[in-house]
Amino acid sequence: QKEVEQNSGPLSVPEGAIASLNCTYSDRGSQSFFWYRQYSGKSPELIMFIYSNGDKEDGRFTAQLNKASQYVSLLIRDSQPSDSATYLCAAYMIKAAGNKLTFGGGTRVLVKP
Amino acid sequence: DTEVTQTPKHLVMGMTNKKSLKCEQHMGHRAMYWYKQKAKKPPELMFVYSYEKLSINESVPSRFSPECPNSSLLNLHLHALQPEDSALYLCASSQDSDREHYGYTFGSGTRLTVV
Repeated sequence: QKEVEQNSGPLSVPEGAIASLNCTYSDRGSQSFFWYRQYSGKSPELIMFIYSNGDKEDGRFTAQLNKASQYVSLLIRDSQPSDSATYLCAAYMIKAAGNKLTFGGGTRVLVKP
Repeated sequence: DTEVTQTPKHLVMGMTNKKSLKCEQHMGHRAMYWYKQKAKKPPELMFVYSYEKLSINESVPSRFSPECPNSSLLNLHLHALQPEDSALYLCASSQDSDREHYGYTFGSGTRLTVV
């Protein structure tokens, strides 16, 4: 079982609609969670982080965390063509060998005009 | 502009060459990281430096040799690489390797091609 799992997509969304991305993680010791956006050929860019159960909103983005279900999600409201990218979910894990940020495989999002 | 600067942006090297990738940050972060990313795959952790000491080596082959001369600089020395080592190499930094509530800041990466 992968430590962080995402649906690879592509997730096709009409412009102006809500894109919903999901992520699950296996290590219950994971403390905090991050969503990165990565355009093709570019480096990951941090969009949001969350470490408490519930919702966290920042502009058009809302992250949701449910530690009991080991589930993290990202909602993108009023999706724009510029939101077309791969979205990486990452979990910060406490390990005896050292703490580290582990990424899921990413979900590719396509926003169609 | 990213606050983590990586050079060079592109590198083509032969299998017998020796080259180095460089990374610099001036955010006062005390942890720095090297990740490797193949096409259509997520970044994979290679090395973690915390307070200028190597704290994690993810069983990376010895042909990759990291170096942290000071808290702002991180190098990755390359020697006798294989074509399968061709990838995007990403440097990242964070305030502290033990407190990650704010995530990592990534550099723009070095696109490495081994021929």
